[in-house]
Amino acid sequence: GAVVSQHPSWVICKSGTSVKIECRSLDFQATTMFWYRQFPKQSLMLMATSNEGSKATYEQGVEKDKFLINHASLTLSTLTVTSAHPEDSSFYICSAPRLGGYGSYEQYFGPGTRLTVT
Amino acid sequence: GENVEQHPSTLSVQEGDSAVIKCTYSDSASNYFPWYKQELGKGPQLIIDIRSNVGEKKDQRIAVTLNKTAKHFSLHITETQPEDSAVYFCAASAGGKSTFGDGTTLTVKP
Repeated sequence: GAVVSQHPSWVICKSGTSVKIECRSLDFQATTMFWYRQFPKQSLMLMATSNEGSKATYEQGVEKDKFLINHASLTLSTLTVTSAHPEDSSFYICSAPRLGGYGSYEQYFGPGTRLTVT
Repeated sequence: GENVEQHPSTLSVQEGDSAVIKCTYSDSASNYFPWYKQELGKGPQLIIDIRSNVGEKKDQRIAVTLNKTAKHFSLHITETQPEDSAVYFCAASAGGKSTFGDGTTLTVKP
């Protein structure tokens, strides 16, 4: 089956610094990837859609200057949390869709990155 | 945009009993409905999915039903085991973009 990896799996950083999270599709190409954020005991909330070769599309309320997304290739998208603050501490999960049967996309999730900002 | 509602938020069953989780969605453009199991500290794992051209799908102890007209779909787990304990999320997807329900915490008591 399709595999999506994320790196790092966890990271602790100091307030005011920036952190980069990588999302890779290992055995298929993905022109689009999605970034989600999940706070404790809550559901996954879509932050942005990463598009290879063009700008990311951000959901309402997500600061594009704070969460920089770069879709460098057909297998790699990166999310950079700039000037991180404690309230940015969360579980960040990426996903990559792959076209399945009957024209519907199956979505494959990475294992997630737990960010803790101190 | 899409809105997905999931019930119940918590579910406790005895080992061997069945568990049912229900979701409704609002956008008729959604055509793919996956269910995910998430264990503590891990990302969601796909356990079963159903496409809009199918009404029911079964995989061993897990089954999913879809009613497109009513815009609702359900997850059924039979013969539950303690290792089934986790948070389960339903999602409605269109074009690879998913909207998730709020999750159901399933506890299977031995």
